[in-house]
Amino acid sequence: AQSVAQPEDQVNVAEGNPLTVKCTYSVSGNPYLFWYVQYPNRGLQFLLKYITGDNLVKGSYGFEAEFNKSQTSFHLKKPSALVSDSALYFCAVSKSGGYNKLIFGAGTRLAVHP
Amino acid sequence: GAVVSQHPSWVICKSGTSVKIECRSLDFQATTMFWYRQFPKQSLMLMATSNEGSKATYEQGVEKDKFLINHASLTLSTLTVTSAHPEDSSFYICSARDWQNEQYFGPGTRLTVT
Repeated sequence: AQSVAQPEDQVNVAEGNPLTVKCTYSVSGNPYLFWYVQYPNRGLQFLLKYITGDNLVKGSYGFEAEFNKSQTSFHLKKPSALVSDSALYFCAVSKSGGYNKLIFGAGTRLAVHP
Repeated sequence: GAVVSQHPSWVICKSGTSVKIECRSLDFQATTMFWYRQFPKQSLMLMATSNEGSKATYEQGVEKDKFLINHASLTLSTLTVTSAHPEDSSFYICSARDWQNEQYFGPGTRLTVT
Protein backbone atom coordinates (compact mmCIF):
# COMPACT_ATOMS: atom_id res chain seq x y z
CA ALA A 1 0.00 0.00 0.00
CA GLN A 2 1.09 3.54 -0.66
CA SER A 3 2.00 5.74 2.27
CA VAL A 4 3.71 9.01 2.98
CA ALA A 5 5.43 10.03 6.18
CA GLN A 6 6.21 13.54 7.26
CA PRO A 7 8.08 12.96 10.52
CA GLU A 8 7.93 16.52 11.78
CA ASP A 9 4.70 18.12 12.92
CA GLN A 10 6.35 21.52 12.89
CA VAL A 11 9.54 23.06 11.63
CA ASN A 12 10.80 26.33 13.00
CA VAL A 13 13.36 28.39 11.14
CA ALA A 14 14.64 31.93 11.26
CA GLU A 15 14.03 34.18 8.29
CA GLY A 16 16.92 34.05 5.87
CA ASN A 17 18.05 30.60 6.97
CA PRO A 18 17.68 27.51 4.81
CA LEU A 19 14.72 25.27 5.46
CA THR A 20 14.05 21.59 4.99
CA VAL A 21 10.72 19.80 5.33
CA LYS A 22 11.11 16.05 5.33
CA CYS A 23 9.09 13.45 3.47
CA THR A 24 9.54 9.74 2.97
CA TYR A 25 7.30 7.49 0.96
CA SER A 26 6.39 3.91 0.32
CA VAL A 27 4.94 2.83 -2.99
CA SER A 28 5.29 -0.11 -5.30
CA GLY A 29 6.82 0.76 -8.62
CA ASN A 30 7.93 4.21 -9.62
CA PRO A 31 6.36 7.01 -7.62
CA TYR A 32 4.93 10.32 -8.62
CA LEU A 33 5.77 12.73 -5.81
CA PHE A 34 4.27 16.11 -5.03
CA TRP A 35 4.52 18.99 -2.60
CA TYR A 36 1.61 21.26 -1.83
CA VAL A 37 1.23 24.25 0.47
CA GLN A 38 -1.91 25.24 2.33
CA TYR A 39 -2.61 28.59 3.92
CA PRO A 40 -5.31 28.90 6.64
CA ASN A 41 -8.81 28.09 5.39
CA ARG A 42 -7.57 27.72 1.85
CA GLY A 43 -7.20 24.88 -0.60
CA LEU A 44 -3.92 23.41 -1.68
CA GLN A 45 -1.46 25.17 -3.90
CA PHE A 46 0.89 23.11 -6.03
CA LEU A 47 4.59 23.67 -5.41
CA LEU A 48 6.39 21.03 -7.41
CA LYS A 49 6.39 17.43 -8.53
CA TYR A 50 8.76 14.64 -9.45
CA ILE A 51 7.80 12.24 -12.20
CA THR A 52 11.06 11.21 -13.79
CA GLY A 53 14.39 12.67 -14.83
CA ASP A 54 16.60 14.96 -12.77
CA ASN A 55 16.40 14.14 -9.08
CA LEU A 56 16.45 17.82 -8.14
CA VAL A 57 13.14 19.44 -8.91
CA LYS A 58 12.62 23.17 -8.81
CA GLY A 59 9.21 24.59 -8.12
CA SER A 60 7.26 27.69 -7.21
CA TYR A 61 8.37 30.43 -4.82
CA GLY A 62 11.99 29.30 -4.77
CA PHE A 63 11.27 25.86 -3.38
CA GLU A 64 13.02 22.73 -4.57
CA ALA A 65 12.96 19.07 -3.64
CA GLU A 66 15.34 16.20 -4.11
CA PHE A 67 14.20 12.74 -5.01
CA ASN A 68 16.34 10.07 -3.35
CA LYS A 69 15.33 6.63 -4.48
CA SER A 70 17.63 4.71 -2.17
CA GLN A 71 16.31 6.54 0.88
CA THR A 72 12.76 6.78 -0.51
CA SER A 73 12.75 10.44 0.38
CA PHE A 74 11.56 13.64 -1.24
CA HIS A 75 12.55 16.45 1.10
CA LEU A 76 11.42 20.00 0.39
CA LYS A 77 14.05 22.71 0.62
CA LYS A 78 14.53 26.41 0.23
CA PRO A 79 17.86 28.23 0.54
CA SER A 80 16.51 31.29 2.35
CA ALA A 81 13.21 31.22 4.22
CA LEU A 82 10.71 34.07 4.24
CA VAL A 83 8.16 34.84 6.92
CA SER A 84 5.52 34.52 4.21
CA ASP A 85 6.55 30.88 3.72
CA SER A 86 4.87 30.07 7.03
CA ALA A 87 2.11 27.62 6.18
CA LEU A 88 1.16 23.95 6.20
CA TYR A 89 3.07 21.77 3.76
CA PHE A 90 1.89 18.44 2.44
CA CYS A 91 3.86 15.77 0.65
CA ALA A 92 1.84 13.42 -1.56
CA VAL A 93 2.48 10.34 -3.65
CA SER A 94 0.68 8.47 -6.36
CA LYS A 95 1.60 5.40 -8.29
CA SER A 96 3.20 5.84 -11.66
CA GLY A 97 0.95 5.38 -14.60
CA GLY A 98 -1.72 7.71 -13.33
CA TYR A 99 -2.16 10.83 -11.36
CA ASN A 100 -5.01 9.00 -9.77
CA LYS A 101 -5.20 8.69 -6.06
CA LEU A 102 -3.00 11.09 -4.22
CA ILE A 103 -2.02 9.87 -0.80
CA PHE A 104 -1.08 12.74 1.47
CA GLY A 105 1.26 12.90 4.39
CA ALA A 106 0.06 14.29 7.70
CA GLY A 107 1.45 17.70 6.93
CA THR A 108 4.22 19.79 8.44
CA ARG A 109 3.64 23.26 9.76
CA LEU A 110 6.44 25.59 8.84
CA ALA A 111 6.95 28.60 11.06
CA VAL A 112 9.44 31.19 9.88
CA HIS A 113 10.37 33.71 12.53
CA PRO A 114 11.59 37.24 11.77
CA GLY B 1 -3.31 28.36 -14.93
CA ALA B 2 -6.25 26.08 -14.39
CA VAL B 3 -8.77 27.21 -11.79
CA VAL B 4 -11.13 25.15 -9.70
CA SER B 5 -13.85 26.83 -7.71
CA GLN B 6 -16.03 25.57 -4.89
CA HIS B 7 -19.35 26.89 -3.72
CA PRO B 8 -20.16 27.73 -1.06
CA SER B 9 -16.90 28.58 0.66
CA TRP B 10 -18.55 28.02 4.00
CA VAL B 11 -21.94 26.78 5.15
CA ILE B 12 -23.70 26.27 8.43
CA CYS B 13 -26.61 23.87 8.55
CA LYS B 14 -28.77 22.26 11.16
CA SER B 15 -28.44 18.63 12.13
CA GLY B 16 -30.60 16.41 9.95
CA THR B 17 -30.60 18.65 6.90
CA SER B 18 -28.71 18.11 3.65
CA VAL B 19 -26.18 20.40 2.08
CA LYS B 20 -24.77 20.47 -1.44
CA ILE B 21 -21.25 21.55 -2.30
CA GLU B 22 -20.29 22.35 -5.89
CA CYS B 23 -16.90 21.90 -7.50
CA ARG B 24 -16.30 23.54 -10.87
CA SER B 25 -13.38 23.52 -13.25
CA LEU B 26 -13.54 27.02 -14.70
CA ASP B 27 -11.27 26.88 -17.72
CA PHE B 28 -10.80 23.23 -18.49
CA GLN B 29 -12.77 20.04 -18.73
CA ALA B 30 -12.35 17.43 -16.06
CA THR B 31 -13.53 13.89 -16.61
CA THR B 32 -12.33 13.07 -13.13
CA MET B 33 -12.72 15.01 -9.93
CA PHE B 34 -11.78 14.02 -6.42
CA TRP B 35 -13.38 14.84 -3.08
CA TYR B 36 -11.28 15.12 0.06
CA ARG B 37 -12.09 15.74 3.66
CA GLN B 38 -9.78 17.50 6.08
CA PHE B 39 -10.23 17.63 9.82
CA PRO B 40 -8.61 20.45 11.81
CA LYS B 41 -4.83 20.15 11.84
CA GLN B 42 -4.98 16.90 9.93
CA SER B 43 -4.20 15.74 6.43
CA LEU B 44 -6.51 15.35 3.48
CA MET B 45 -8.34 12.07 3.25
CA LEU B 46 -9.64 11.01 -0.13
CA MET B 47 -13.36 10.31 0.08
CA ALA B 48 -14.25 9.45 -3.46
CA THR B 49 -13.34 9.70 -7.10
CA SER B 50 -15.98 11.30 -9.27
CA ASN B 51 -16.13 10.33 -12.94
CA GLU B 52 -18.24 12.22 -15.44
CA GLY B 53 -21.23 10.24 -16.54
CA SER B 54 -20.68 7.31 -14.20
CA LYS B 55 -20.95 6.39 -10.57
CA ALA B 56 -18.42 7.67 -8.12
CA THR B 57 -15.88 5.35 -6.57
CA TYR B 58 -15.82 5.63 -2.82
CA GLU B 59 -12.90 4.93 -0.53
CA GLN B 60 -13.22 2.29 2.12
CA GLY B 61 -15.20 3.51 5.09
CA VAL B 62 -16.97 6.32 3.27
CA GLU B 63 -20.75 5.94 3.21
CA LYS B 64 -21.94 6.42 -0.35
CA ASP B 65 -25.53 6.97 0.74
CA LYS B 66 -24.48 9.74 3.05
CA PHE B 67 -22.08 11.49 0.72
CA LEU B 68 -23.82 11.62 -2.64
CA ILE B 69 -21.66 12.57 -5.59
CA ASN B 70 -22.94 13.66 -8.97
CA HIS B 71 -20.59 14.44 -11.85
CA ALA B 72 -23.15 15.47 -14.44
CA SER B 73 -20.90 17.49 -16.72
CA LEU B 74 -17.24 17.86 -17.59
CA THR B 75 -16.97 20.97 -15.45
CA LEU B 76 -19.14 20.27 -12.45
CA SER B 77 -19.19 17.74 -9.64
CA THR B 78 -21.39 18.03 -6.59
CA LEU B 79 -21.11 16.50 -3.15
CA THR B 80 -24.27 16.31 -1.09
CA VAL B 81 -23.97 15.56 2.59
CA THR B 82 -27.29 14.01 3.50
CA SER B 83 -28.83 14.09 6.96
CA ALA B 84 -25.85 15.98 8.26
CA HIS B 85 -24.66 15.52 11.82
CA PRO B 86 -22.14 17.51 13.85
CA GLU B 87 -19.47 14.88 13.20
CA ASP B 88 -19.75 15.71 9.49
CA SER B 89 -18.40 19.17 10.22
CA SER B 90 -15.18 19.43 8.31
CA PHE B 91 -13.31 21.14 5.52
CA TYR B 92 -14.19 19.59 2.17
CA ILE B 93 -11.80 20.07 -0.73
CA CYS B 94 -12.23 18.99 -4.31
CA SER B 95 -9.70 18.62 -7.08
CA ALA B 96 -10.13 18.30 -10.81
CA ARG B 97 -7.88 16.44 -13.20
CA ASP B 98 -7.25 17.82 -16.66
CA TRP B 99 -6.39 15.99 -19.88
CA GLN B 100 -2.72 16.07 -18.97
CA ASN B 101 -3.49 14.32 -15.70
CA GLU B 102 -2.63 17.39 -13.66
CA GLN B 103 -4.75 17.85 -10.52
CA TYR B 104 -5.92 21.29 -9.47
CA PHE B 105 -7.46 21.90 -6.08
CA GLY B 106 -10.40 24.03 -5.14
CA PRO B 107 -10.27 26.50 -2.25
CA GLY B 108 -12.33 24.26 0.01
CA THR B 109 -15.71 24.45 1.74
CA ARG B 110 -16.01 24.62 5.47
CA LEU B 111 -19.12 22.83 6.69
CA THR B 112 -20.39 23.34 10.21
CA VAL B 113 -23.35 21.28 11.38
CA THR B 114 -25.10 22.59 14.48
